[in-house]
Amino acid sequence: GAVVSQHPSWVICKSGTSVKIECRSLDFQATTMFWYRQFPKQSLMLMATSNEGSKATYEQGVEKDKFLINHASLTLSTLTVTSAHPEDSSFYICSARDTGGGYTFGSGTRLTVV
Amino acid sequence: AQSVAQPEDQVNVAEGNPLTVKCTYSVSGNPYLFWYVQYPNRGLQFLLKYITGDNLVKGSYGFEAEFNKSQTSFHLKKPSALVSDSALYFCAVRDGAAGNKLTFGGGTRVLVKP
Repeated sequence: GAVVSQHPSWVICKSGTSVKIECRSLDFQATTMFWYRQFPKQSLMLMATSNEGSKATYEQGVEKDKFLINHASLTLSTLTVTSAHPEDSSFYICSARDTGGGYTFGSGTRLTVV
Repeated sequence: AQSVAQPEDQVNVAEGNPLTVKCTYSVSGNPYLFWYVQYPNRGLQFLLKYITGDNLVKGSYGFEAEFNKSQTSFHLKKPSALVSDSALYFCAVRDGAAGNKLTFGGGTRVLVKP
């Protein structure tokens, strides 16, 4: 089946630094990937839709300059949290449209900003 | 706009008893419906989906769901719950007339007691 690999699983960074999260489709090509944020005990909030070879589409209220998305190939999308602050601490999950018409999710990244 | 409602924050069930997790949706076009399960600090695992065809959909780990167009529902069911089914369950919908985005319900925590 379709597999999406997300790295790192967890990361701790200092306030003011940037963190990059990678999302790779391992056995299929993904022209569209999605980035979500999940707060404790809450549902997934779509942050942006990442399109291969073009600019990402951000949801209302998501700062595009803070959450930089790059989808340079058909198997890799990256989310960079720039100048991270404690309020950016969260669980970030990526997903990709798979060839079966469904959505395959990565295992998530726990970001803690100290 | 598409939306999903999971009316129960938590469902408690004894091991061996039937499990039902409720989901209702709202879309303007044809609904594409999904169920996912999430274990702590993990991404989402796919259980099943309804795109078209039979209203009763069978999925992973013995789960099934029934698409009911008149009631706009897609309840998840399992005839005999296991303790290992204790997790967070999400229903999601994609509006066939509105692009690729998935909208998630708020999630339902399932607790299966031995």
